[in-house]
Amino acid sequence: QKEVEQNSGPLSVPEGAIASLNCTYSDRGSQSFFWYRQYSGKSPELIMSIYSNGDKEDGRFTAQLNKASQYVSLLIRDSQPSDSATYLCAVIPTGTASKLTFGTGTRLQVTL
Amino acid sequence: DTAVSQTPKYLVTQMGNDKSIKCEQNLGHDTMYWYKQDSKKFLKIMFSYNNKELIINETVPNRFSPKSPDKAHLNLHINSLELGDSAVYFCASSPTGSGANVLTFGAGSRLTVL
Repeated sequence: QKEVEQNSGPLSVPEGAIASLNCTYSDRGSQSFFWYRQYSGKSPELIMSIYSNGDKEDGRFTAQLNKASQYVSLLIRDSQPSDSATYLCAVIPTGTASKLTFGTGTRLQVTL
Repeated sequence: DTAVSQTPKYLVTQMGNDKSIKCEQNLGHDTMYWYKQDSKKFLKIMFSYNNKELIINETVPNRFSPKSPDKAHLNLHINSLELGDSAVYFCASSPTGSGANVLTFGAGSRLTVL
């Protein structure tokens, strides 16, 4: 079982719609969770971090964490073509203070 | 001013050669990393240094040797290059304390081994 799993996509949503990106992780003791965005040919950049169960909102982005289900998601409201990118879920497993472990990413395509 | 800079951006070389990638950060961060992103876009940690001290060394062949002369620099030397080493290598850094584990990545160095 992979430590962090994501559907590779592509996930295609029309402009203005809500994009929902999902991630599951295997280490129940994980405490820190992150979403990074990576445009093609570019480096990953942090969008959101979340540490507690529930929702965390930042502009059009909402991260949701459910530790009981070992599930973290990212919602993008009012999706724009500029949101088209690969979204990487990352987790810090138990006892690995600096070892950020990434999923394989979900490719999002926002269509006009 | 580039926060995390890597050189070179592209390397094309033959199997068996040795190559180095350099990384520098001007963010004042204490921790630096090397990540490898393969053709399937999977981003995997290789090494992590905190204040020049090695703290993470994943199962990486001995042909890969990181060096951190000071906390602002982390270089990666690769001996006897193999086809499977072809990938994009990302350097990253993060602060300690508040914001720890929030990584800032360099632009990447694309290595192609022929």
